[in-house]
Amino acid sequence: TQLLEQSPQFLSIQEGENLTVYCNSSSVFSSLQWYRQEPGEGPVLLVTVVTGGEVKKLKRLTFQFGDARKDSSLHITAAQPGDTGLYLCAGVEGGSNYKLTFGKGTLLTVNP
Amino acid sequence: GAGVSQSPSNKVTEKGKDVELRCDPISGHTALYWYRQSLGQGLEFLIYFQGNSAPDKSGLPSDRFSAERTGGSVSTLTIQRTQQEDSAVYLCASSQTKTGIGGYTFGSGTRLTVV
Repeated sequence: TQLLEQSPQFLSIQEGENLTVYCNSSSVFSSLQWYRQEPGEGPVLLVTVVTGGEVKKLKRLTFQFGDARKDSSLHITAAQPGDTGLYLCAGVEGGSNYKLTFGKGTLLTVNP
Repeated sequence: GAGVSQSPSNKVTEKGKDVELRCDPISGHTALYWYRQSLGQGLEFLIYFQGNSAPDKSGLPSDRFSAERTGGSVSTLTIQRTQQEDSAVYLCASSQTKTGIGGYTFGSGTRLTVV
């Protein structure tokens, strides 16, 4: 059973376009994190959201945590080729205070 | 060190041989995690260390897998009698706090290929 479902699985867009990636679950998470992974590297933390309804912005990236703390979204404005990578959401379940459960990721390709 | 260091970066081994993967976490990070990443499977939790103890080994897939951590620092993941299905990228991460809420810092991983 996949606890965190990410969609879409693959996304290929042109430079300058906007996009949204979704992360959904039936479980409640005490926090949710987004990572970006490039080929041959480990995932790099982009943001952590903790409060239901929370919105965080990181330059052209906007992250939102659902009110019920079961889902999250990542919106990228005016995508650039440098945004290309695997975007992973990960959550700390309510019953565990240490273990991150990862979604399978969204592979984003931004074409120049 | 400045980041999480893993070695080797690549390992090709013959089926049935034993392998050791090493992780050197960020200095002062008490929590250390091992994950496995296979194509299409996402990141799979293997084991969690807090200091030198491993309160959660629930993700180790079989008794061929074991891990230890010494001095609250370096960790070694050992796979005995490797099988082809063990081929994957093995990622190590550490965190400053006891909880994962603040996020993990990952190493670049060890790509294991069993032939």
